[in-house]
Amino acid sequence: EVQLVESGGGLVKPGESLRLSCAASGFTFSAYRMNWVRQAPGKGLEWVSSINAYTENTYYAESLKGRFTISRDNAKRSLYLDISTLRVEDTAVYYCVSATTVSFFDYWGLGTLVTVSS
Amino acid sequence: EIVLTQSPDFQSVTVKEKVTITCRASQDIGNSLHWYQQKPHQSPKLLIKFASQSFSGVPSRFSGSGSGTDFTLTINGLEAEDGATYYCHQTSSLSSFGGGTKVEIK
Repeated sequence: EVQLVESGGGLVKPGESLRLSCAASGFTFSAYRMNWVRQAPGKGLEWVSSINAYTENTYYAESLKGRFTISRDNAKRSLYLDISTLRVEDTAVYYCVSATTVSFFDYWGLGTLVTVSS
Repeated sequence: EIVLTQSPDFQSVTVKEKVTITCRASQDIGNSLHWYQQKPHQSPKLLIKFASQSFSGVPSRFSGSGSGTDFTLTINGLEAEDGATYYCHQTSSLSSFGGGTKVEIK
């Protein structure tokens, strides 16, 4: 069974940094493209970033480039998202998502809530 | 950036009714269009991949069609458990989601 478990969320102040983590199990993590998607309270889904399986090429939503860094550690079966200079508008649930065919997002974690507030 | 526009934003329907949700892309995306269902307080779940292919375990009442810029998600015979928000998603150029369509059961 595929499991994606996010962690690292919490209450942070504007301007601070944060690292989100995602622990994967139940599939060959190293072979899958992985993604982060976020959802602000009461709002829709927003793609944040993706990282390829083998090349580890990274991709970002244009509006978020510069403050977000995606990375992975295949040996630890883990995905990461580093967010710097957090803003109030970064408040959201952040989902870790797998993409087995480098296309559709097939499995989603339960998400981790990041709240940015002074 | 490819923009996906869903309509309607909200739909109130009765059980057994047919539901149609549309998604229009700002440019040709071929069949790189996927549909998800998100129930309240849950993570999204994949329903349809590549415009018309059902994902494993998805009930047959859910179907998708379209290509290029215009796509449709159809629920034939709505059931009470289908009350949710539905999102389209393109992977033709990077990735982006539509704004969502909330389906309420009357």
